Order: sequence, then C-alpha cells, then structure tokens
Amino acid sequence: EEELVESGGGLVKPGGSLRLSCAASGFNFKNAWINWVRQAPGKGLEWVGRIRTNDDGGTIDYSAPVKDRFTISRDDSEEIVYLHMTQLKIEDTATYFCSTVQVWGRGTLVTVSP
Amino acid sequence: SSPLTQPPSVSVSPGQTARIPCSGDVLSRQYTSWYQQKPGQAPILVIYKDTERPSWIPERFSGSTSGTTVTLTISGVQAEDEADYYCQSVDSSASSHWMLGGGTTLTVL
Repeated sequence: EEELVESGGGLVKPGGSLRLSCAASGFNFKNAWINWVRQAPGKGLEWVGRIRTNDDGGTIDYSAPVKDRFTISRDDSEEIVYLHMTQLKIEDTATYFCSTVQVWGRGTLVTVSP
Repeated sequence: SSPLTQPPSVSVSPGQTARIPCSGDVLSRQYTSWYQQKPGQAPILVIYKDTERPSWIPERFSGSTSGTTVTLTISGVQAEDEADYYCQSVDSSASSHWMLGGGTTLTVL
C-alpha cells in the first residue's frame, strides 16, 4: 500500500526551528516529486514547497511566505523527505501534509506560540 | 498568475447533482486536480488531469473543463460526499508552483 507518514510536529516558540519528516513506503520513492502542503486551523490548503526527483535535477521550489526560512531535502536511500523550518512565526501554525498528488499523509501539527 | 477561485459553499439534496466550479487564467493551459477533504482527515485525490478519475473513486465523480473554468461534478450525491473540495493546478510562470483554490464546502441537505 502506498503510504506517506509525517512526523516531527510540536509546540515551538516564535523564532524557533523544527524539522518535519515524511516517510514513504509502497511506491517508487526515487521517482516521486514530493510536495509539502499546510493547513492552518479552520483554513484552506496552502502549498509550501516541493522537491523534484534527482533524475529531474532535484530542483526545490518554495512558496513566497516560507522562502528563505524553510528548506526541503530528500534522502532516497531512506525514502524520507524533510522540511526544515526556521525563524518560525505564529502564522506558520498549521497541520503540515506531504503529498505526491495521489498519496497524502495524515499530517503533523506545528504550533508556534510564545 | 491569478489565483484559483471557488465558491465558498454549495448545497444539494441527496440524489441531486452537485457542480463545483474553479476558475483561473492558468486553467486554460494547465491540468487541474481535485481533492476531497473531510474534517480531521487528509485530502484525497478525486480527479486528476482535468477529467481522469482514480480507480478507487466512485463513478459519480467527474471533471470537465471549458476555457478558464474547470468543474467537479458529483452525480447522485450521497451523504458521505459532504466534505471540502479543493482544486489545484500549477503556475507555469513560477517553476510549476502549486496553485490551490480556496476550497468549497459541499453540504448535503
């Protein structure tokens, strides 16, 4: 079964850092572009960024609100994608999902609060 | 590119047809996917490449496109279809960044 599982969420103070993980199983991970999407409480989905496959150049793109603060990386040997978040703001509070389009994880909650 | 626009809500009675539009300039040039999200759950892909339906999605879900508007149609709506629906495309002028609509809440009366 194709599956993505996020982990690493939690409570962090403004200005702090956190690293989320997205573990994949059941599909050819090396050929998958992985997106991070977040959802603030009671709000809609917001694209955060995406990492392409190494065969496609490994290009990483970010949305404007997180560019220069968030970093996406991948480890094909472990089939994991990471989202390293720094300089966190209260408005980064959200459930963070990873997705291939067809497959979505259940999400991990990040709360940024003093 | 301009954002993707969806109506905030659509309401239908069981057995009727629900149509959820999504509009945006990019939609005439790029494929659209649709996701269903129920409270407390992750989104699920229901339509991709404008009109294609994953094998695990019921046939009552379909997609269509006309110019800069794409439409998700749910025929014979059932109570279990009550959810939020999001359209998604890519911004070809911005390294294929995802674009997401604001979401439409489908209420089954």
